[in-house]
Amino acid sequence: GAVVSQHPSRVICKSGTSVKIECRSLDFQATTMFWYRQFPKQSLMLMATSNEGSKATYEQGVEKDKFLINHASLTLSTLTVTSAHPEDSSFYICSAEGEGWGKPQHFGDGTRLSIL
Amino acid sequence: AQTVTQSQPEMSVQEAETVTLSCTYDTSENNYYLFWYKQPPSRQMILVIRQEAYKQQNATENRFSVNFQKAAKSFSLKISDSQLGDTAMYFCAFMTYTNAGKSTFGDGTTLTVKP
Repeated sequence: GAVVSQHPSRVICKSGTSVKIECRSLDFQATTMFWYRQFPKQSLMLMATSNEGSKATYEQGVEKDKFLINHASLTLSTLTVTSAHPEDSSFYICSAEGEGWGKPQHFGDGTRLSIL
Repeated sequence: AQTVTQSQPEMSVQEAETVTLSCTYDTSENNYYLFWYKQPPSRQMILVIRQEAYKQQNATENRFSVNFQKAAKSFSLKISDSQLGDTAMYFCAFMTYTNAGKSTFGDGTTLTVKP
């Protein structure tokens, strides 16, 4: 089945650091990927839609200069949290648009980001 | 705009018994998909079951089945013969034909299966 790999799984770093998270589709091509943020025991909040070869589409209220998204190939999208601060600490999950009817999403394992 | 409501933040069930998780949604669209996703404590979300709105027959996947009531905009998930491995957070999700791939998620229901 479709596999999405997300790396790293956990990051702990100092305030002001920029952090890059990678999302790869391992056995299929993903024209579209999605980036979510999830707080403990809460739902997924869509941050942006990442489209291969074009600019990402950000949801309202998400700072595009803070959360840089690059989707340079059909198998890789990256999310960079620039100059991260403690309030950026969260669980970030990527997903890739699947194939077949309904195009169910295939999710990565998530990245736990902790900013000290 | 579409909304998805899961009114049960937490539920529990005894192993081998049956449990139903509720989900309602609101939309003005006529063509859409509905999904249930499972997020176990290991955190990777996986698809449990999906339903296409124009199909009246309820979807089933082994022990998982749905009760889709289009007029009532209801999409509940029934888990039969609950197993310990079913312990997870379950999310109901909605997606329109015109916005394929972009889902709206409910707030989730945390299900605990007790031995």
